This record gives sequence, C-alpha cells and structure tokens, in this order.
Amino acid sequence: KQEVTQIPAALSVPEGENLVLNCSFTDSAIYNLQWFRQDPGKGLTSLLLIQSSQREQTSGRLNASLDKSSGRSTLYIAASQPGDSATYLCAVRPMETSGSRLTFGEGTQLTVNP
Amino acid sequence: NAGVTQTPKFQVLKTGQSMTLQCAQDMNHNSMYWYRQDPGMGLRLIYYSASEGTTDKGEVPNGYNVSRLNKREFSLRLESAAPSQTSVYFCATSGHYQETQYFGPGTRLLVL
Repeated sequence: KQEVTQIPAALSVPEGENLVLNCSFTDSAIYNLQWFRQDPGKGLTSLLLIQSSQREQTSGRLNASLDKSSGRSTLYIAASQPGDSATYLCAVRPMETSGSRLTFGEGTQLTVNP
Repeated sequence: NAGVTQTPKFQVLKTGQSMTLQCAQDMNHNSMYWYRQDPGMGLRLIYYSASEGTTDKGEVPNGYNVSRLNKREFSLRLESAAPSQTSVYFCATSGHYQETQYFGPGTRLLVL
C-alpha cells in the first residue's frame, strides 16, 4: 500500500527565508506527484504537477523536484512571504490501469512571520 | 466560471439521518472525486467517477453511495449518518486521470 509522509509537520520561518518542504512515498510506481496548498477552512489549490518522467517543475518562486527511484520529492519556496503561510500537501498518483486515486500526505503547516 | 462548487457548506445531522452532498463543475472535466479530510488521517478517497456513467470505490467507501448524474454533477449520499462520518468532504475534478485535480471549497459535516 502506498504511503506518503511529509516532514516536518509544521515549520515556522522569518519572511524572506528560502525553505524546503519534504515528501516521501513508499512505492516508486507512480504516474505523477502533485503539490497542493490549503488555506485554513478552504479547499486545495494545485501548485505543481510533476510527471513520473520529469525531474522538476517550476512556477514563480516555487520549484518542485522528484526523485522517483528514492521515493522523494521536495518543494522549494524562494524568498518566503507571509502570504505563503498555509498547509502544503503532496499527493502521488499510483500506476493503475483504472481509476485515479491520489494518495495524500498529511501536510506541512507553514507559517511565515513578518 | 465557478469551477467546482459544493453544497451545502456546513451541515449538522443526527445519527441515523440521511443527506446528499452535491458537487457541480463547469470545467467540462470527465473525472470527478469525493474525498474526506480528517485530522491525523489526511485526505482519503471515498468514491470516484472516471467518466459519465461510471463510478468506482475508493479507499473508504463504506457508508456512502454516489451518483454521477451527468457530466457536471456528482453527488455523495449518506444513507444513515454515523458520528464517524463527521469530517470535511471535498469534491474534485480532473480532465484526465493523469492531470491535476481541482478541488471545491468543501462541506463540513457534523454528525451528533
């Protein structure tokens, strides 16, 4: 059974700092990996999607990497801002011939202090 | 475009009552999903519909039923609510099973 772990569970940093969020998964047979952001009381917003054949994806100040063989992904946030405060979740889509199951980690709660 | 909408936003039920959670999307996506989010458990897939006319069980389907009414709408029904079904329920859609999923704002359900 695929398991996704995110460490740390919570992170507090001063504004302007560069930071890395970690995601690990137990089964490397995946189609893709996605990073989401969730604000309190809200739904999830997709940030980046990395296909299994890709090594990284970038969007603005965000960069996500994928090392499928080691079962790891990182989300790098450059020059963090208070508006980046949210919970960040990663999710993997397993290699299945039917269905579209995403397996989620429990998330890292990020607080960026002004 | 509204994206993915869910109704109601919040609901309180008594044990044994039934209710239907509604989800609608205007993104012309084929696939739709229902998740529940619980502290310490993360997001778990309840049911999904890969395309109109098909539905399949996810990780935690017991106690739930779904209906893919048409391409736009996917409903989740609790026939006899239990306190263990207290959760936040999210609907999501994707254009293809390999593509990113787009989430609704959630329905907060409390079962007493």
